[in-house]
Amino acid sequence: DVQLVESGGGLVQPGGSLRLSCVASGFAFDNYWMTWVRQAPGKVVEWVGNIKGDGSAKYYVDSVEGRFTISRDNAKNSLYLQMDSLRAEDTAVYYCVRDTNYGSGSYYGDCWGQGTLVTVSS
Amino acid sequence: EIVLTQSPATLSLSPGDRATLSCRASQSVRSSLAWYQQKPGQAPRLLIYDASNRAAGIPVRFSGSGSGTDFTLTINSLEPEDFAVYYCHQRSSWPLPFGPGTKVEIK
Repeated sequence: DVQLVESGGGLVQPGGSLRLSCVASGFAFDNYWMTWVRQAPGKVVEWVGNIKGDGSAKYYVDSVEGRFTISRDNAKNSLYLQMDSLRAEDTAVYYCVRDTNYGSGSYYGDCWGQGTLVTVSS
Repeated sequence: EIVLTQSPATLSLSPGDRATLSCRASQSVRSSLAWYQQKPGQAPRLLIYDASNRAAGIPVRFSGSGSGTDFTLTINSLEPEDFAVYYCHQRSSWPLPFGPGTKVEIK
């Protein structure tokens, strides 16, 4: 079965750092774009950024550009989100998502992890 | 940057009713649009991709249509498990925002 398991969430002070991990299983990890999506409590879903299968391309939403870094280790089937200079507004559940190309050229998040909660507060 | 709007914000319906949800993009996204369903405490689930294709395992009562800037998700004959929040998501150009969501609630 395809599975994504996130970890690394927790409580961090404003200005601090945190690194999230996502371990993938059940599919050829290096063949897929992977995405981080977040959702603040009671709020809408927000796309954070994604990374190409070989790690050669990355994109971010403006609000995290320069503070967050997405990386991957294909040998470990793992995706990471390094979050620096954290702010209260970064508080959210962070989801790891597999993006699949259904043949049209566009990619869609067809498999999601259970999410990990990040709380930024003093 | 493309902005997605969804309407209505809330839809109050009864089981067996038809739900019609709208998503509008600020500029053309061609057919690169998905619909997701999210229930409380769960991750979103992919329903529709490329505007009109059902994802694996999605019941036929869910259908999507549209292209360019205007899209519709239709749920024929609502089942009790369909009451949830629905998001559209454009995959045409970065960044890749989601819409603000439509909550389908029991009337």
